[in-house]
Amino acid sequence: DVKVTQSSRYLVKRTGEKVFLECVQDMDHENMFWYRQDPGLGLRLIYFSYDVKMKEKGDIPEGYSVSREKKERFSLILESASTNQTSMYLCASSLWAGATGELFFGEGSRLTVL
Amino acid sequence: RKEVEQDPGPFNVPEGATVAFNCTYSNSASQSFFWYRQDCRKEPKLLMSVYSSGNEDGRFTAQLNRASQYISLLIRDSKLSDSATYLCVVNMGGGGADGLTFGKGTHLIIQP
Repeated sequence: DVKVTQSSRYLVKRTGEKVFLECVQDMDHENMFWYRQDPGLGLRLIYFSYDVKMKEKGDIPEGYSVSREKKERFSLILESASTNQTSMYLCASSLWAGATGELFFGEGSRLTVL
Repeated sequence: RKEVEQDPGPFNVPEGATVAFNCTYSNSASQSFFWYRQDCRKEPKLLMSVYSSGNEDGRFTAQLNRASQYISLLIRDSKLSDSATYLCVVNMGGGGADGLTFGKGTHLIIQP
């Protein structure tokens, strides 16, 4: 089974803190993604990566950055956390999520910024 | 603007009943379509892909209507375990996963 593991299920941070969210997948997938999910807004794509050291902005990249130094690991970074970044963050991976592919999600990291 | 619209519900349905819900999408050039299921406080998981000819998987049937730009999900003989949020997902981009647009979900509650 594909396993996508997010390092922290629950985090509480203070405004202005730097936050790292780590994601590791064990199926040698090329593609990795970071989404956030908020009530009434659904899932929104923050950043994605199709290869090591490659990153592309999604729909809402402002206030975030990412790092993909190894194929299996994709990190989301909040340089200076703000209260409007309180959310559920979901990492996903896929072999190829085009017409017939499938996204595999981690269990999510619920971040609260005070 | 790329949009995927779903009735948020909740749909309250007695066990054993048949329930159906639709999802509309804004981009007529959309190429691929999916239903994902998300249990409370869990991650989304692929339920089924939706093909032009429609497809069936046990009690679940998905249909695509390109002319009217909607997809549907029908659940027959509903079970308590079907209670979840169902996310409509449409690829309105160039085919890569960055083109996936998620609906906000339809909340289904199966009642005993």
